[in-house]
Amino acid sequence: RKEVEQDPGPFNVPEGATVAFNCTYSNSASQSFFWYRQDCRKEPKLLMSVYSSGNEDGRFTAQLNRASQYISLLIRDSKLSDSATYLCVVNREPAGTASKLTFGTGTRLQVTL
Amino acid sequence: DVKVTQSSRYLVKRTGEKVFLECVQDMDHENMFWYRQDPGLGLRLIYFSYDVKMKEKGDIPEGYSVSREKKERFSLILESASTNQTSMYLCATTATDPLDEQYFGPGTRLTVT
Repeated sequence: RKEVEQDPGPFNVPEGATVAFNCTYSNSASQSFFWYRQDCRKEPKLLMSVYSSGNEDGRFTAQLNRASQYISLLIRDSKLSDSATYLCVVNREPAGTASKLTFGTGTRLQVTL
Repeated sequence: DVKVTQSSRYLVKRTGEKVFLECVQDMDHENMFWYRQDPGLGLRLIYFSYDVKMKEKGDIPEGYSVSREKKERFSLILESASTNQTSMYLCATTATDPLDEQYFGPGTRLTVT
């Protein structure tokens, strides 16, 4: 079983739609969680951290379910510029040590007119 | 803004050649990482360094070595390049806080023929 699993997609959605991605992780001791965004032929960039209580940043909402070991990302009112690959990322190391991240293979989103 | 630069965007080498990939960051971050990214496999950690002259193996260190003589510079070395090392190589850096995001360089697309 992969440490971090994502549906590769692609998710093709019209502009304005709401889309949700899920990600599952296998290591119950994982400490912190992130969503990164990667545009085509570019480097990954942090989109948002995922907190136990859930967090929201504009049109983006991230949720963590430790009991079921999954993370979700919800994008509301999709824009063309949201088209990218979204990487689910889990930190395997305890707090206080250098971060060692495990990356999912990514979910590709294509927003269309 | 954090800036992470990599010595080349594209590189073509022959099997058996020694290859150096260089990464430089300007943010005085302690931790630096080398990943490779392949379709369907995501980003995989090759080596990381949490201080000058310190290094630790990641998940796939075989066939690679690293060097960190100065805080801002982290080099990845392929002692004898092989075709299965054809990949996108990404350098990343982060401050000591483990919850801090990783900042990536633009990547080097290496082709070994």
